[in-house]
Parts: sequence; structure tokens; C-alpha cells
Amino acid sequence: EAQVTQNPRYLITVTGKKLTVTCSQNMNHEYMSWYRQDPGLGLRQIYYSMNVEVTDKGDVPEGYKVSRKEKRNFPLILESPSPNQTSLYFCASRHGPSSYNEQFFGPGTRLTVL
Amino acid sequence: SQQGEEDPQALSIQEGENATMNCSYKTSINNLQWYRQNSGRGLVHLILIRSNEREKHSGRLRVTLDTSKKSSSLLITASRAADTASYFCATDARRGSTLGRLYFGRGTQLTVWP
Repeated sequence: EAQVTQNPRYLITVTGKKLTVTCSQNMNHEYMSWYRQDPGLGLRQIYYSMNVEVTDKGDVPEGYKVSRKEKRNFPLILESPSPNQTSLYFCASRHGPSSYNEQFFGPGTRLTVL
Repeated sequence: SQQGEEDPQALSIQEGENATMNCSYKTSINNLQWYRQNSGRGLVHLILIRSNEREKHSGRLRVTLDTSKKSSSLLITASRAADTASYFCATDARRGSTLGRLYFGRGTQLTVWP
């Protein structure tokens, strides 16, 4: 089944404790991205990657890092999480950078930073 | 902000009725897309309409686009309880520096009562 998977689905952590949210897709997609969803703000893009070893900032990249060492994986790294990073996070992928390609979303990771 | 703005924020109807949601945006676009999000789940792509199209159908969905008014509407006919979800519009702004970047609105929460 074609899908985007994220782990963990739920995470409660404390300020400053480094964490990684994994994202993997099995559709051989080149383009992957991370969004955060907050009440009243909709989805905002954090980082995106057009291909292996090619990443770029989205609209809200502060406090986040990403890497794209393999085509299928695009982990989101929070080196020193803070409470304002409490949010619902979504990974997404599509065939290529053109927005005409259908975008597939993962199930989401609900992160709480205490 | 380039993001779309959905209206209304919330809509409550009975099964069998039609549901209409609107989206307004600010800048010229290449295309506009609608997504559905069931509670706590990832977004699912519903339909894409190109800037040179005025209307598009997919099953019970009908999307219109008026580029002169910078607005779109999503009509769900003969709604079902299973249509209960949040609906988001996303625009691909016509700017080379942000090629392929999608900007999401805050969503319309649709509740369909049996």
C-alpha cells in the first residue's frame, strides 16, 4: 500500500531534550516536506526537500533541522525543543516539486513539549 | 500572507443536504487544491483545479474557481455523515522563488448529522 508513515504518533517530552520524528514514504517520491498544524493557523511548512541531499527552509524553520540522506526518509529533528513547538506535525510527499503532483500526507505526530 | 482563507469556519448540516465552502486567496495562482482531514488524521487530496479552469467535478464534489475574484468554492452534494471532516484549500502561488510551495488555509469544519 502506498503510504507515508511517521513515528512516533504521539510524544510528550520536556524542554531541551533532543528528539527526532521519522518520516518514510514507499512511493519513490522525490519531494518531501514537513508541516506543523496549530489551531487557528492552519498548516505551515517547516522544511522541504526536492531530492536526496537537497533541503530548504519553509515558512517556519526556526528550531528545526532535517536531513535527506535517502530518498524514502525525511526525519525532522528538534535539537532543543521548547513549549512553543507543541503542535501536530505532518510529513508529506509527492512525485516531484510541481504542485500538480498529488501530495500524500502521513497520519501526523502530536508533540507536547512541557 | 498568501494563504487561502476558508469560509465559513464551521458548517453544520443534515445528511442529504448540500454543503458549500468557500476559499479566498490573495495572489495569482497556478492552481488551487482542496483537501479533507478527518479528526486527528492526515490530509487527503480531493481535487485540483488549474487557474485556467472554471469548474471541475469529481463524484459528489464540485469545485469552482473565479480568478477575477480570487475565490473558489467546494460543493459537496447529498452529504453523508462520513463527510464530517475539516476541509482545507491550498494554493500554489505563482512565484518562481516558491515554486511548488502550497499555502493552506485554516479550514472549514463540516459536521453532517444523520
